[in-house]
Amino acid sequence: GQSLEQPSEVTAVEGAIVQMNCTYQTSGFYGLSWYQQHDGGAPTFLSYNALDGLEETGRFSSFLSRSDSYGYLLLQELQMKDSASYFCAVSVSSGGSYIPTFGRGTSLIVHP
Amino acid sequence: GAGVSQSPRYKVTKRGQDVTLRCDPISSHATLYWYQQALGQGPEFLTYFNYEAQPDKSGLPSDRFSAERPEGSISTLTIQRTEQRDSAMYRCASSHRQGVEQFFGPGTRLTVL
Repeated sequence: GQSLEQPSEVTAVEGAIVQMNCTYQTSGFYGLSWYQQHDGGAPTFLSYNALDGLEETGRFSSFLSRSDSYGYLLLQELQMKDSASYFCAVSVSSGGSYIPTFGRGTSLIVHP
Repeated sequence: GAGVSQSPRYKVTKRGQDVTLRCDPISSHATLYWYQQALGQGPEFLTYFNYEAQPDKSGLPSDRFSAERPEGSISTLTIQRTEQRDSAMYRCASSHRQGVEQFFGPGTRLTVL
């Protein structure tokens, strides 16, 4: 089976930079995705990494190291609205299917 | 449509009743996923479709759960003989390509009394 580990909670100050880590154990790894979910809302896609390295989209960056089975999401210039849960999800290739497995999520709390 | 829609948004039912949840994905998306999400947890995979084919239903918790997508667009998730432990948020998501960006619907909050 697959397992993912994320810190349960991270706190940071408005304007700062925060890194949220994700480690995984899986076979048939295909890619790592990140989703943001505000209380009461639906998960929304942030980024996807299939290859090693850094992907940047505005204030958000995501990093993947396949050899270390590790990734992180980096948020810069934190804003109060960034307070939310952040989930990493691995896609695993199995018999032609790509099955997504989500982590338990990191709750980000941004303080003024 | 403009996004993924689900209905009903809330469903309260009595134990032992059957319920059917509906998902209307983004029209151009071939892949559709069903998830169960408990409070404070990540979405847990139930099953998925590529058009009308259902390649994997390994995440369905029991044979009381079934899903269909007969014409490759709208999908339904049916839970027969509901139990209290089935109470959860049920979400569907669609994507253009498997395993990559998924667009989630607002979910159906199911409460089994």
